[in-house]
Amino acid sequence: DTEVTQTPKHLVMGMTNKKSLKCEQHMGHRAMYWYKQKAKKPPELMFVYSYEKLSINESVPSRFSPECPNSSLLNLHLHALQPEDSALYLCASTRPGSHTQYFGPGTRLTVL
Amino acid sequence: GENVEQHPSTLSVQEGDSAVIKCTYSDSASNYFPWYKQELGKRPQLIIDIRSNVGEKKDQRIAVTLNKTAKHFSLHITETQPEDSAVYFCAARFNNAGNMLTFGGGTRLMVKP
Repeated sequence: DTEVTQTPKHLVMGMTNKKSLKCEQHMGHRAMYWYKQKAKKPPELMFVYSYEKLSINESVPSRFSPECPNSSLLNLHLHALQPEDSALYLCASTRPGSHTQYFGPGTRLTVL
Repeated sequence: GENVEQHPSTLSVQEGDSAVIKCTYSDSASNYFPWYKQELGKRPQLIIDIRSNVGEKKDQRIAVTLNKTAKHFSLHITETQPEDSAVYFCAARFNNAGNMLTFGGGTRLMVKP
């Protein structure tokens, strides 16, 4: 398995819903990232996990809650989102000793 | 804070021509500079990267040059093809920021057949 996968591909949720995004890689990468990307903009870093520990939180609102249950899996739990949170959510990962980040296909999130 | 500026924001070329996209960065200690290509609705894909101990790197029709003194790096695509049409992002890894990348604003490249 040589890529990062993300589910679901698309998600529509209301402002009172609770949902989760999932990211998985089986390449032995030990750093994993969540990015938010709005249309026509670059990816914007949200969280970094290094060896399953949260190492960077870029002042993201608490309605976004990351979780790294094991070295292959990264979740992003969503609760009480706002319409402006609608975006493409990208996961990425890096193998130990490397700087190269490999991106998953993203989840297109729409908040109504 | 760390900053990466990318120019131009849009670039239109004729098929077969060359395309050049330029980025400047703020931190002279930056040591890793990747370029990503993102087609509409797809993930960013790494197309080439360069480390600070190298001045140039080539991979077929794609090359990247780095000028550490001037703190800028450029992507060169030769013999452009319609399938090169996409948004291209440069990025820099700043030395005091763990493994975080700071992205440029992106360049929309359109290759006209």
